[in-house]
Amino acid sequence: GAGVSQSPRYKVAKRGQDVALRCDPISGHVSLFWYQQALGQGPEFLTYFQNEAQLDKSGLPSDRFFAERPEGSVSTLKIQRTQKEDSAVYLCASSLIRAGVKGEQFFGPGTRLTVL
Amino acid sequence: AQRVTQPEKLLSVFKGAPVELKCNYSYSGSPELFWYVQYSRQRLQLLLRHISRESIKGFTADLNKGETSFHLKKPFAQEEDSAMYYCAPSSGNTGKLIFGQGTTLQVKP
Repeated sequence: GAGVSQSPRYKVAKRGQDVALRCDPISGHVSLFWYQQALGQGPEFLTYFQNEAQLDKSGLPSDRFFAERPEGSVSTLKIQRTQKEDSAVYLCASSLIRAGVKGEQFFGPGTRLTVL
Repeated sequence: AQRVTQPEKLLSVFKGAPVELKCNYSYSGSPELFWYVQYSRQRLQLLLRHISRESIKGFTADLNKGETSFHLKKPFAQEEDSAMYYCAPSSGNTGKLIFGQGTTLQVKP
């Protein structure tokens, strides 16, 4: 595998639509993170998975945001009833090691979401 | 609350000049500190981490616990160093990164 991949790379949604963003981490990586990066800002943490377990979802901004990683590999971030303020780049990162061990995170290229 | 401050949005220097990108953090416990870099049209990638104490591409960063700073330095900037730089402590429980706002380094010929 070449690295972390994300799809789609660009998504335009009308306000109120649901969207699903996919992340394929590096094979064998235990940890998976989602971040949201608004224009001109640094990335902000959304949620964390260790294998299939979602251990931290403290950064999800509302109950419209939902993430899953059912088989401990591919992850999907779903946003329901999108709002304009959801417009951002959504970054996925994976790490070989488990929670609490502070290792390097490998980032995907991001999905740029624009809500009209 | 955990906070990271990178006071300069843009730092512009000439090739060969010294560079210092500032980072201050407020954090409880003993964070692991990272610098990540994003070159034009590339993805975010690790530049260096405090614990390894290594120099990458000529950059070093010293942790000053008294001042809670982790400034990134390079004695002689190169044009290929032009990029966005993020300081990011890692939170203890999950390893999540807390990013600063980022500093754009522009190295002029």
